[in-house]
Amino acid sequence: TAGITQAPTSQILAAGRSMTLRCTQDMRHNAMYWYRQDLGLGLRLIHYSNTAGTTGKGEVPDGYSVSRANTDDFPLTLASAVPSQTSVYFCASSDSIGAGELFFGEGSRLTVL
Amino acid sequence: GQNIDQPTEMTATEGAIVQINCTYQTSGFNGLFWYQQHAGEAPTFLSYNVLDGLEEKGRFSSFLSRSKGYSYLLLKELQMKDSASYLCAVTDSNYQLIWGAGTKLIIKP
Repeated sequence: TAGITQAPTSQILAAGRSMTLRCTQDMRHNAMYWYRQDLGLGLRLIHYSNTAGTTGKGEVPDGYSVSRANTDDFPLTLASAVPSQTSVYFCASSDSIGAGELFFGEGSRLTVL
Repeated sequence: GQNIDQPTEMTATEGAIVQINCTYQTSGFNGLFWYQQHAGEAPTFLSYNVLDGLEEKGRFSSFLSRSKGYSYLLLKELQMKDSASYLCAVTDSNYQLIWGAGTKLIIKP
């Protein structure tokens, strides 16, 4: 089973350009999340979605937007990338918000120059 | 503010036992998770504690004391493949996950 698929796995982006990180899950989970992981810091929540059609802001939402048009897809968009957005981005899902384990995608390594 | 503390790095010997501690201060508590993350990979679920006591799962055990805001992950019969980062995370009263920075475990032969 695929679980969660993220794309691209790695990307170098010029500052000021826009970028969408894709995330698709096949587990029919209601909740989905986007995290960023930086060296020495814990996973930080960017945005989340309780269910299709709803989204919410996490700890570090500025500069990022998400949409949840259906259950399976949860893309993350950087409208105008800045170097501080250089990070590893993980998409995750769970059966519902705050309940049960999270299943993570393999991560997308983004470098903004 | 909400805070989770765990050691940055630990070293242990193959075949030995290691205990990784996690202390937390959160607004409410709805469970504590441990995840394993190998370098360059995604975190994977190890254990979940919501009541006080010890949960055992093979070579791994996790302990929780809610009154002390404390948990530990115990790894027995260490193998080289256990070299990884171990992440502690707490679900707060709003059912949001608060993550520690992780403990990098180095296993030496």
